Amino acid sequence: DTEVTQTPKHLVMGMTNKKSLKCEQHMGHRAMYWYKQKAKKPPELMFVYSYEKLSINESVPSRFSPECPNSSLLNLHLHALQPEDSALYLCASSQVSGIGYEQYFGPGTRLTVT
Amino acid sequence: DQQVKQNSPSLSVQEGRISILNCDYTNSMFDYFLWYKKYPAEGPTFLISISSIKDKNEDGRFTVFLNKSAKHLSLHIVPSQPGDSAVYFCAASDSNTGKLIFGQGTTLQVKP
Repeated sequence: DTEVTQTPKHLVMGMTNKKSLKCEQHMGHRAMYWYKQKAKKPPELMFVYSYEKLSINESVPSRFSPECPNSSLLNLHLHALQPEDSALYLCASSQVSGIGYEQYFGPGTRLTVT
Repeated sequence: DQQVKQNSPSLSVQEGRISILNCDYTNSMFDYFLWYKKYPAEGPTFLISISSIKDKNEDGRFTVFLNKSAKHLSLHIVPSQPGDSAVYFCAASDSNTGKLIFGQGTTLQVKP
């Protein structure tokens, strides 16, 4: 099973809302990632969690707040977003973080900020 | 500064022929490379990878070639099938952090 699941599939939120994106994997992977993908652009790394600890934050604005409650779950809490934050948010996982380990992606959450 | 480049935004080939997708990189610290395939409204799907200690890796219809001196890799798909029509991303892994850096993608269309 190489499945990474993400909920919700689509999300529309206003600039004053608070919402959360969820990601789950049951492959026993110990590294999990959040990426942002704008239309016709490649995925851009936002955060990396390794063994449930935040190891990389790519200078993401504080209105995005990641959380890793356990080794299978990864959340992205959203607050006071801007319309330019509208994008596809992808979660990925790998056996561990580091070179030589393929990342497996979920289907993404399509976020629209109004 | 784009460290991974896919200079061809699109490629069209006939079913049964070979598809060749190209990727160039600039950072010599990259030593692991991956190809992902992406359909619309789905996440990228891992296809094949290659370590810098190799120059070729093959998996069924997919072969990746690496030319370290030229900082160039390519993905060969043979024979191409209509179901291969998708966006293909090349990615490089930074040897210090393991971060994946993606190219801009090439849209492949395989015509029946």
